[in-house]
Amino acid sequence: KAGVTQTPRYLIKTRGQQVTLSCSPISGHRSVSWYQQTPGQGLQFLFEYFSETQRNKGNFPGRFSGRQFSNSRSEMNVSTLELGDSALYLCASSFGRDNSPLHFGNGTRLTVT
Amino acid sequence: GNSVTQMEGPVTLSEEAFLTINCTYTATGYPSLFWYVQYPGEGLQLLLKATKADDKGSNKGFEATYRKETTSFHLEKGSVQVSDSAVYFCALSDIQGAQKLVFGQGTRLTINP
Repeated sequence: KAGVTQTPRYLIKTRGQQVTLSCSPISGHRSVSWYQQTPGQGLQFLFEYFSETQRNKGNFPGRFSGRQFSNSRSEMNVSTLELGDSALYLCASSFGRDNSPLHFGNGTRLTVT
Repeated sequence: GNSVTQMEGPVTLSEEAFLTINCTYTATGYPSLFWYVQYPGEGLQLLLKATKADDKGSNKGFEATYRKETTSFHLEKGSVQVSDSAVYFCALSDIQGAQKLVFGQGTRLTINP
């Protein structure tokens, strides 16, 4: 069974640009969550989508947005990139029920210069 | 709000040593508790979990017991191996039924042969 797939693995962007990250969940999983990992702030929750609807949201500015498609694949977009957005972005999928374990992808490393 | 505090690393041990990584939490209600492990260049993998007080989660020789009275979920292993070298994260579920996890800062573990 294929795991969570995130593309691309690495990205280099310039301040002010925008970027789109993609996540393909495990087959049958309807929930996709996004996390930002940085050395300073650690792992922080961005948002969760379930059946194409945002079900939960973390404390990030509106520049961070996401969506989920009918096949449960999800994209995350960051507009007007800032240097502080440099991070490893992790996607996780699950069945979305109570205490369903999260299965994480290997992440997309974004570097903003 | 909810939070998780882990012992600071890095932790360096010799092979076959006993491991304890401390984790305490602050939460309203009764969250589920998790330990995740991150190997170099990879995403997070669920190591073990406990969903209610006095539950013991176990996997691959690792154990952790949900202690409500001390709000703790310490990770232990009786005899570590070089292959256990990784970063370990303690986490709690923020909202029952949702996939939002609150993570500790992570503890880097290195096992020397």
